[in-house]
Formats: sequence, C-alpha cells, structure tokens
Amino acid sequence: RKEVEQDPGPFNVPEGATVAFNCTYSNSASQSFFWYRQDCRKEPKLLMSVYSSGNEDGRFTAQLNRASQYISLLIRDSKLSDSATYLCVVNNAGGTSYGKLTFGQGTILTVHP
Amino acid sequence: EPEVTQTPSHQVTQMGQEVILRCVPISNHLYFYWYRQILGQKVEFLVSFYNNEISEKSEIFDDQFSVERPDGSNFTLKIRSTKLEDSAMYFCASRELSGSKETQYFGPGTRLLVL
Repeated sequence: RKEVEQDPGPFNVPEGATVAFNCTYSNSASQSFFWYRQDCRKEPKLLMSVYSSGNEDGRFTAQLNRASQYISLLIRDSKLSDSATYLCVVNNAGGTSYGKLTFGQGTILTVHP
Repeated sequence: EPEVTQTPSHQVTQMGQEVILRCVPISNHLYFYWYRQILGQKVEFLVSFYNNEISEKSEIFDDQFSVERPDGSNFTLKIRSTKLEDSAMYFCASRELSGSKETQYFGPGTRLLVL
C-alpha cells in the first residue's frame, strides 16, 4: 500500500463548481497533515494544514479522519486560478522523523470557463 | 515575505560529473531539507539536516549524495558522479524549530538534466 494515496484525476470542472479531493495514508503514527498546491513546474506551496477538528480557509475546507486514515479537501466556488495539482502531504509518516514530508502523487484540477 | 532561494534554476551536466545545488533557507529556520521530483512523479524526500548534521535520509540518498551548510546562510546538495536517473527537479525546504511552526517552505527548485 502506498504511504499516501490520492486519486490522480484529472478533475475538470466549470467555474463556480464545488470539487472534493480525497487522500488516504497508511501509517497510523503520522502526526501532521497538509494540502499543498503545485503549479506546473513550480515548487509545492502550502495551501492549508489539516486539523482533527476540520478547518476552513475561505473557499477551502479540509477534514481529517484519523480512524479511517483519510484526509479530504473541499473547494467551493472554483476559480480559474484554482487550476493546479493538489498534493496530500503527511508529516512523520515513517514514525520517528525530523519532519520528513511524504507526498501523494497529486490530484490534477482544471477549472474551465 | 521571506523565502527560500535556490541556484541555479537550471543545470545541464554530463553523466559522471559532479554538481552542487545551492539553497539559501529562510534566515531564522533551523531545519533544512532536500526533496526531488522526477518529471511526472511525486515529490520524494531525500534528506533532512539539523544542528549541522544529517537527521534523516532516504534510500535515494546514497553515497553519491552529500549535504553541507558551509556558512550561516547556504545549504548545499552535492551529487558526486551524476547518473541519467538523477535528472529531476530538486527542491530545498526549510522550517522553524519546533512547535506549531512546522510548515516547510519550499524554494523554486533546480531543474537538473543529466545527459
């Protein structure tokens, strides 16, 4: 089983749509969870951290289910500028670690007019 | 806003040559990392560095790789004898010491092409 697994997509949605991405992780000892976005040929940039209680940042909502080892990201009212690859990222996936991040393959989102 | 910088942005080299990739982490950060991303694949952890020593490394980080913090600002990744399969984007990242400030900030990357 992959350490961090995502549906690669692509997701093609119209502007204004709501889209949800899912991610599962294999190591129950993982401690911190993030969504990063990556534009083509650019570096990953933090979109948001994911907390157990769920958290929201504007149009973005992240959820964590530790029991199911499942992370989600919901994007409401999609904008053209949301087109990117969304990376599910887990910290400490290997147990003892100095902050090693383990990345999923990424989910490609294209928002069209 | 402070940012991680990397040089060069692109590097082309011949197989067997040594390359040094350079990074300047954010100034008050104390943990440093190298990741790589082969074209079309996921981002992979290479090595973490803290208190002037390697704290963790992956299986990818074999004897051909080394890291160094030669002064108070630079953090380098050296590949002694490059192989074709080393062609990738190499990202440097850094983060603050501990606690809630655990976000890793990535540099823009160095695209390495080994011919």
